[in-house]
Amino acid sequence: GAGVSQSPSNKVTEKGKDVELRCDPISGHTALYWYRQSLGQGLEFLIYFQGNSAPDKSGLPSDRFSAERTGGSVSTLTIQRTQQEDSAVYLCASSLVVVNTEAFFGQGTRLTVV
Amino acid sequence: KQEVTQIPAALSVPEGENLVLNCSFTDSAIYNLQWFRQDPGKGLTSLLLIQSSQREQTSGRLNASLDKSSGRSTLYIAASQPGDSATYLCAVTDSNYQLIWGAGTKLIIKP
Repeated sequence: GAGVSQSPSNKVTEKGKDVELRCDPISGHTALYWYRQSLGQGLEFLIYFQGNSAPDKSGLPSDRFSAERTGGSVSTLTIQRTQQEDSAVYLCASSLVVVNTEAFFGQGTRLTVV
Repeated sequence: KQEVTQIPAALSVPEGENLVLNCSFTDSAIYNLQWFRQDPGKGLTSLLLIQSSQREQTSGRLNASLDKSSGRSTLYIAASQPGDSATYLCAVTDSNYQLIWGAGTKLIIKP
């Protein structure tokens, strides 16, 4: 596609359930990033991929969060045993390479944990 | 630890005015700085990317400058229009390849 695509656009889940968020980057972009934006707060870096490899996972808030990327393309962010504080907009971005190229963002997935 | 600050937090100006948004960062060891706009209910749109070796970038009515040594960047918007109303975010790519974000400036252009 022409841009970064995220699905679903909205997700409401019950506390304790697992959720998977999907990101389709721009074709040919080797770098992929996950961020989240909680209500009234700034953007928080979660993880980035260079190809299928995630060199730095330190931004993941807890061990309930995991992410993978396959085929150098689609990435999924999985949150296990969701908590109310996980409610946020999760944004995915891709860029041609990791450094010194523009990052293009998807529309985000709004996650609400009830 | 890199910190990015944006001033002002909010700005409201009449249509047609020129305006400046400010961004400062604490660690000059950056790869680049980007300005984004965020519209309600939408994703982020990249406006300008300035490499660490560059001083400024221009796109249409937007001009962004970078003074890496002093840890400052400005986004200049000429002849503002109501469609420019959005939240403007700056972010630096730090030495760990992470984007570190400012909290944003909420801009309202009054018709």
